[in-house]
Amino acid sequence: NAGVTQTPKFQVLKTGQSMTLQCAQDMNHEYMSWYRQDPGMGLRLIHYSVGAGITDQGEVPNGYNVSRSTTEDFPLRLLSAAPSQTSVYFCASSYSGGLFSYEQYFGPGTRLTVT
Amino acid sequence: AQSVTQLGSHVSVSEGALVLLRCNYSSSVPPYLFWYVQYPNQGLQLLLKYTSAATLVKGINGFEAEFKKSETSFHLTKPSAHMSDAAEYFCAVSGEGQFYFGTGTSLTVIP
Repeated sequence: NAGVTQTPKFQVLKTGQSMTLQCAQDMNHEYMSWYRQDPGMGLRLIHYSVGAGITDQGEVPNGYNVSRSTTEDFPLRLLSAAPSQTSVYFCASSYSGGLFSYEQYFGPGTRLTVT
Repeated sequence: AQSVTQLGSHVSVSEGALVLLRCNYSSSVPPYLFWYVQYPNQGLQLLLKYTSAATLVKGINGFEAEFKKSETSFHLTKPSAHMSDAAEYFCAVSGEGQFYFGTGTSLTVIP
């Protein structure tokens, strides 16, 4: 199993550009999520999905879109990049069962810089 | 909403000394609690988790954590620090369809 994979590893964007961060998992997990990690702020949830066709907003959803057309893939779209979106982005997946007792598996991250 | 507080954003210990990283949670229902470790330039990996079985949970690399409901705490310990333990550690709680992470504690191990 490859686990959770993310592409690209690094990306530099100019303000106003758009792009998609890719995330895929091969563990047949229902639950997938996107976080951003900023110094001193831990991980903040952007969007999450509990299954194909179902997505919901997390703590910091503004400026980001997601969709979930398959169980395996959960891309994150930046519509119009801003310097405030400079961050490290992590995708994670887990089984989901009621009270979410299952641990999340994380991808290696995408380091995004917006100039 | 649930939340997690990690006391101390930076902790330094000598090699061979006790490691104690603190985590307190707020939850209106019995929580599921996790500790993750992040090595430089890597993603997070699970150290251990509490899911309402034994209150003392053993994890990988010699770490363990004790769930104390009366103190709403889930502190992470290791009896003897090793240089390879230097990393960022995150406490997390799950519930209400989401995971909530603390702000992290950076552990430095001094030779």
